[in-house]
Amino acid sequence: DAKTTQPPSMDCAEGRAANLPCNHSTISGNEYVYWYRQIHSQGPQYIIHGLKNNETNEMASLIITEDRKSSTLILPHATLRDTAVYYCIVRVGGTTDSWGKLQFGAGTQVVVTP
Amino acid sequence: DADVTQTPRNRITKTGKRIMLECSQTKGHDRMYWYRQDPGLGLRLIYYSFDVKDINKGEISDGYSVSRQAQAKFSLSLESAIPNQTALYFCATSDTSLGRGTSYNEQFFGPGTRLTVL
Repeated sequence: DAKTTQPPSMDCAEGRAANLPCNHSTISGNEYVYWYRQIHSQGPQYIIHGLKNNETNEMASLIITEDRKSSTLILPHATLRDTAVYYCIVRVGGTTDSWGKLQFGAGTQVVVTP
Repeated sequence: DADVTQTPRNRITKTGKRIMLECSQTKGHDRMYWYRQDPGLGLRLIYYSFDVKDINKGEISDGYSVSRQAQAKFSLSLESAIPNQTALYFCATSDTSLGRGTSYNEQFFGPGTRLTVL
């Protein structure tokens, strides 16, 4: 699976949009981009995933560049409860061998301030 | 997520002791996973199971063993605990039968077990 690069930390003001970048310049054509977050010492929580097109759900939006070498997770109106470590993961979908294996990096520590 | 439970939540033990961490799920998922997390680091996969008869090693399986007693239960054992196995351990589940396509791999994590080996 492709390796990802994320900034170690970022701050965001409550009520503002938080834009979390992720670089995955070695991504392959059959690899998806997944985002999870982990609130302090709790189990990680799935946020969103995508392949080529931008995606949006009730939690966030995912913007993937046309060349797929980077992506941005957008939390549209950050709240204090969004303070967490955010993980960008790139992995293959659909093969029996690798399906289900998530490789977590160090992630980005996001702190939302009042 | 209350559908994935882990016991115990906290455990302090001594070097050389055998320890078992339990994971149970009521989600009816077929796949289960064990991860460990060290301070300031991401999660690393220890073992994973695609069904009761299918157990696979992850990236850091040395010193650990697992048992999938039933679809709903997946136990992690440390045969002889050592201090560098002190970590936060997470169990997770996923489901291949959701019919959402082969890309979908949302994993549901338990609350974690904090293990300290003295």
